[in-house]
Amino acid sequence: GAVVSQHPSRVICKSGTSVKIECRSLDFQATTMFWYRQFPKQSLMLMATSNEGSKATYEQGVEKDKFLINHASLTLSTLTVTSAHPEDSSFYICSARGWQGHYGYTFGSGTRLTVV
Amino acid sequence: KQEVTQIPAALSVPEGENLVLNCSFTDSAIYNLQWFRQDPGKGLTSLLLIQSSQREQTSGRLNASLDKSSGRSTLYIAASQPGDSATYLCAVQGTYKYIFGTGTRLKVLA
Repeated sequence: GAVVSQHPSRVICKSGTSVKIECRSLDFQATTMFWYRQFPKQSLMLMATSNEGSKATYEQGVEKDKFLINHASLTLSTLTVTSAHPEDSSFYICSARGWQGHYGYTFGSGTRLTVV
Repeated sequence: KQEVTQIPAALSVPEGENLVLNCSFTDSAIYNLQWFRQDPGKGLTSLLLIQSSQREQTSGRLNASLDKSSGRSTLYIAASQPGDSATYLCAVQGTYKYIFGTGTRLKVLA
């Protein structure tokens, strides 16, 4: 089946630094990538949607200058959390949409970000 | 705006019980509904996907039903086991993106 590889699975960074999270579709082309965030004991909230080669569309309340999304190729999308602060500590997960014999969505395994 | 709600928020049951998790959504114009399992600190595992034209899907001890007109779905877990302990999320797909429910935290006691 379709696989999306997300790295790193866990990362701890110092406040003020930037962190990059990668999602790769291994066996299909991800025309659209969705990025979600999940705070403790809450559900997943969509942050932004990106189509390959285009600028990402951010959901209301999500700072585009803080959460930089790059989707330059059909198999790779990255989310960079810039100038991270403790309140950015969360679980981030991507979902790739593309042709997998049908148009399907495959989720990455998630990244636990802790900012200290 | 689509809103997805899950009831109950938390559930604790003894091993062996059959149980039902509920999911409701406000906009019936969906393409499909999917149930996921999430273990603490982990990613998502897809359990069942129901297309909008379908009424139910089954996989092992799991059965999910969909009533699109009333905006409801249920996940039925038969003969629950301690290994079923996790958070269960339902998500509906609108035009192109998934909207997730609030989740049900299930604990099955041995």
